[in-house]
Amino acid sequence: DAGVTQSPTHLIKTRGQHVTLRCSPISGHKSVSWYQQVLGQGPQFIFQYYEKEERGRGNFPDRFSARQFPNYSSELNVNALLLGDSALYLCASSNTGLMNTEAFFGQGTRLTVV
Amino acid sequence: AQSVTQPDIHITVSEGASLELRCNYSYGATPYLFWYVQSPGQGLQLLLKYFSGDTLVQGIKGFEAEFKRSQSSFNLRKPSVHWSDAAEYFCACITGGGNKLTFGTGTQLKVEL
Repeated sequence: DAGVTQSPTHLIKTRGQHVTLRCSPISGHKSVSWYQQVLGQGPQFIFQYYEKEERGRGNFPDRFSARQFPNYSSELNVNALLLGDSALYLCASSNTGLMNTEAFFGQGTRLTVV
Repeated sequence: AQSVTQPDIHITVSEGASLELRCNYSYGATPYLFWYVQSPGQGLQLLLKYFSGDTLVQGIKGFEAEFKRSQSSFNLRKPSVHWSDAAEYFCACITGGGNKLTFGTGTQLKVEL
């Protein structure tokens, strides 16, 4: 079975640009979460979606947005990129998104803002 | 707000030696607790989890962790480390509101041959 897949794997953008990151969850999983991992830090929660509805939002500016599609895949969008947005962006999927369900992580998208 | 603390940023052990990585959490009730491992440039792999019940939890790759409520700790242990265990280890918790994970800052493990 395919795990969580993220695309692209690496990306270089210029300050002020916009970026879209994509995530396909494990088949049958209806919840997707996004995390930002800055070098040397633990992942920080950005968003959680379940059944196409936002279920949680972390402490990130409005430049960050996300959505989930009917097939449960998800996009993370970041506008007006800053140098500080350079990070590994991780997507995690789970079947229900409830507290007692395990999250499975993808390999991440490495975003570099120059 | 809930938090997870991993006091050791870097740990070096010799291959075959025992390992203990420390994790403390701050939360009024019993959280759901996890240990993840991350190899360079990779995503996170779940080693083990504690939801309730037996406080000694067995995981993959020979790892175990013990939940101690009195110390608010969830330390990860392995009796004999292999060179392939070199990686970064993250402790995390869920305290409510879906399965949003709060991570510690990680412990980088180096294994000397």
